[in-house]
Amino acid sequence: NAGVTQTPKFRVLKTGQSMTLLCAQDMNHEYMYWYRQDPGMGLRLIHYSVGEGTTAKGEVPDGYNVSRLKKQNFLLGLESAAPSQTSVYFCASRELPGLAGGPVPYNEQFFGPGTRLTVL
Amino acid sequence: TQLLEQSPQFLSIQEGENLTVYCNSSSVFSSLQWYRQEPGEGPVLLVTVVTGGEVKKLKRLTFQFGDARKDSSLHITAAQPGDTGLYLCAGANRGSTLGRLYFGRGTQLTVWP
Repeated sequence: NAGVTQTPKFRVLKTGQSMTLLCAQDMNHEYMYWYRQDPGMGLRLIHYSVGEGTTAKGEVPDGYNVSRLKKQNFLLGLESAAPSQTSVYFCASRELPGLAGGPVPYNEQFFGPGTRLTVL
Repeated sequence: TQLLEQSPQFLSIQEGENLTVYCNSSSVFSSLQWYRQEPGEGPVLLVTVVTGGEVKKLKRLTFQFGDARKDSSLHITAAQPGDTGLYLCAGANRGSTLGRLYFGRGTQLTVWP
C-alpha cells in the first residue's frame, strides 16, 4: 500500500513550457486535491475532485488545469508555465466519511511527498 | 482571505522547554486538524478535534479546541529535537460535503539539542 504518490519529485521549466504533474492513490479514495505551498503562505487549494470525471476550482486555480479520468489518478497541468508558479505542489486524497466499515477520521487528508517545481 | 491565523510563525527553543502554538479564526469550524510536516515530505495528520472544549493528548502533545470552535492550541511538553517541523492547523466547515480544509500558514518549530 503506497498511499499517495507523486511524479516527478523535482522539475525545472522555462517560462512558457508546459508540463503535467501526476498524482496516484491506491486507497480507493473518492476525493482528491491539488495544493501549492509557498514560504509563509501555508497550503492553498488549486483544484479538487469529488469523484472520477469531476473537477472543481479551488482558491488559486488560474494557470492550472486538472483531469480525473481514472479514480486513482489526478493530473495537474500547466499549459504555459510562469515564474509565479514556482512552488512545491502537494496532492492529497480523502475517503468518504462512514465508509470502509467504520468511523473514518473526520476529513483526514492523506498527502503525497510533493513535487518541487522551478520555473525560470 | 486567511481564515486561520497561526502564531507564532517561527519558534526556536532548547530541548526540554515547553511551548504553545495557537490557531485562531473569526469563523466557526465543525472540526479542526493539526498536521506536522517534515522537510521534503507532505503533511501528516496528528489529531482531529470536533467538540468545543475538547482536549486530546498524544504523548507529550496536548491539543485543545476552543469552546466556540473558532480556535485551537497545541502544547508540547519537554520538547525534543524530533519535534522539529512545520505545524499546520486546518479547519473544515460544517455542512461541507467536499472535504475542503482551510489551512493556516504554519508554525516552523526548531528544537535544539
